[in-house]
Amino acid sequence: AQSVAQPEDQVNVAEGNPLTVKCTYSVSGNPYLFWYVQYPNRGLQFLLKYITGDNLVKGSYGFEAEFNKSQTSFHLKKPSALVSDSALYFCAVRVNTGGFKTIFGAGTRLFVKA
Amino acid sequence: GAGVSQSPSNKVTEKGKDVELRCDPISGHTALYWYRQSLGQGLEFLIYFQGNSAPDKSGLPSDRFSAERTGGSVSTLTIQRTQQEDSAVYLCASSPTSGGAGVTQYFGPGTRLLVL
Repeated sequence: AQSVAQPEDQVNVAEGNPLTVKCTYSVSGNPYLFWYVQYPNRGLQFLLKYITGDNLVKGSYGFEAEFNKSQTSFHLKKPSALVSDSALYFCAVRVNTGGFKTIFGAGTRLFVKA
Repeated sequence: GAGVSQSPSNKVTEKGKDVELRCDPISGHTALYWYRQSLGQGLEFLIYFQGNSAPDKSGLPSDRFSAERTGGSVSTLTIQRTQQEDSAVYLCASSPTSGGAGVTQYFGPGTRLLVL
């Protein structure tokens, strides 16, 4: 079955420290991977995606993610966290089931403390 | 331009009543998606529409749920005989097309449904 896993329900970091939000996937064929962020009382916003090419993808708000085929991972990273980064982060994969469908992970809540 | 809009933003209803949730996608977007986000859980795919093709209804949890998209634009998600477990945030998204692997979806703010 095609799936996305976010093993951490919550990640806590101090402001200024690097952050990592983990994501692993299981798909047949080439993976098309996304990260979305949901700020409180707002809809999801696109952060970045990996389709092909460089394994390190840079996105909005200083976030980046590294595609690792051997580990089937697509972890989200940021070198220096901000309090305003506190939000719910979703990893997602696009799969072709006769039409493309997006499968979302369960989400990881990030808390950044001042 | 305007993003995806949803109405109402909040809906409280009594168990057994029917509700209708509306989504206005970004103008020109041919693909439209409905998801459900329950408290403490991720996004659950419900249904998606692509142009004039038959919708993919594979995520609808029961026959109490239905959706239509009129004129290739506005969509309405209808829940009949609501149950307490239907309480959730219902998110709508649209994209220029659903046919590509790298297509980004644009989400609305959601409708928070509470069934008493």
